Amino acid sequence: NAGVTQTPKFQVLKTGQSMTLQCAQDMNHEYMSWYRQDPGMGLRLIHYSVGAGITDQGEVPNGYNVSRSTTEDFPLRLLSAAPSQTSVYFCATRPDSYEQYFGPGTRLTVT
Amino acid sequence: QQPVQSPQAVILREGEDAVINCSSSKALYSVHWYRQKHGEAPVFLMILLKGGEQKGHEKISASFNEKKQQSSLYLTASQLSYSGTYFCGTEYYGATNKLIFGTGTLLAVQP
Repeated sequence: NAGVTQTPKFQVLKTGQSMTLQCAQDMNHEYMSWYRQDPGMGLRLIHYSVGAGITDQGEVPNGYNVSRSTTEDFPLRLLSAAPSQTSVYFCATRPDSYEQYFGPGTRLTVT
Repeated sequence: QQPVQSPQAVILREGEDAVINCSSSKALYSVHWYRQKHGEAPVFLMILLKGGEQKGHEKISASFNEKKQQSSLYLTASQLSYSGTYFCGTEYYGATNKLIFGTGTLLAVQP
């Protein structure tokens, strides 16, 4: 039982490049979310999903796309990376109205 | 809309008590509390639901004032291990799938 896994752990991109951050869970949770964390800004919700095939925008969705084709996976796509997207990204899952489990995070730097 | 946390930071000596507050301008469905240590992912502490139901893993107490849309986390007889950044997360009526976090409260416990 791995819980929530994220890959890669670290990534450096050049401005304009695209990439996908991977998130997988083995707890059969319906709810999955992506957050970014910047100093002094807390955790800000990017996108979330309440089940396979259902996604919605969070607080800061611009520049990011998501899809949810299976219960287990919830990838986050950066379409054209910008320095403002330098951050630590956390994927999280939870059952309805219960505790949320966070993945270990991906540290992304855009130069 | 992010909930507002106060104070932003607090320094304690071992054995002292602290209170961290979380307030919202919108009607709250639930309040979550998480603690994050430096370089790690946030970890669940407690969830408080409308009607008084509480679920938590540790011996930490919290309150939820539905009329004032406020929650407080009570840390008593603090230990060095309590150090970290505390986040409250809120779910609002009409959007109970979106967990929005505040900007955090940095707690440092000194010997």
